[in-house]
Amino acid sequence: DADVTQTPRNRITKTGKRIMLECSQTKGHDRMYWYRQDPGLGLRLIYYSFDVKDINKGEISDGYSVSRQAQAKFSLSLESAIPNQTALYFCATSGGIGSRYNEQFFGPGTRLTVL
Amino acid sequence: QKEVEQNSGPLSVPEGAIASLNCTYSDRGSQSFFWYRQYSGKSPELIMSIYSNGDKEDGRFTAQLNKASQYVSLLIRDSQPSDSATYLCAVNIGAGYALNFGKGTSLLVTP
Repeated sequence: DADVTQTPRNRITKTGKRIMLECSQTKGHDRMYWYRQDPGLGLRLIYYSFDVKDINKGEISDGYSVSRQAQAKFSLSLESAIPNQTALYFCATSGGIGSRYNEQFFGPGTRLTVL
Repeated sequence: QKEVEQNSGPLSVPEGAIASLNCTYSDRGSQSFFWYRQYSGKSPELIMSIYSNGDKEDGRFTAQLNKASQYVSLLIRDSQPSDSATYLCAVNIGAGYALNFGKGTSLLVTP
């Protein structure tokens, strides 16, 4: 079944550590997104990519970087984690080849805690 | 920053009633509108998309769009306790593919 997967599902790390969150999809979608969700603040867009050579900053990109290793893989890195990056992180995908629509499908999420 | 506004709730309706969820947006260039359902601790699940003015029905769900008023709504008929969740409204940003999400409305369907 075509799907969006995220690893790890849960991670506890310490301030200053580098951490990478990974997203893979088997939907054949071109576009991939990273969001974070915080209580009371909703879903906020961190970075998005429309193909392997296209990376765009979202609303809250400071402190984060991304890598689109292949059409199916999009990784989010926290170079030096800080406690206010504690949140639920979601990867999403949309858009088959030529699709004009933007229905986004979400992975299961990664719960990240920075101590 | 373009805004997507939702009443945070909680909206409480009895089982079998119609639940009405509302959303307003500020970007007049938006063309795509979505409703997602999110259970606590889970990922958002797409339940409706709408692109043209008017109503779109899918089972117990009806999405309504009024671009002139910059308003989109979701009606849930015959509400069930399993519909209790947070409902997120999402609107595309300008002419692009990225989405701007509202903070969600919490719905509670009581038996």
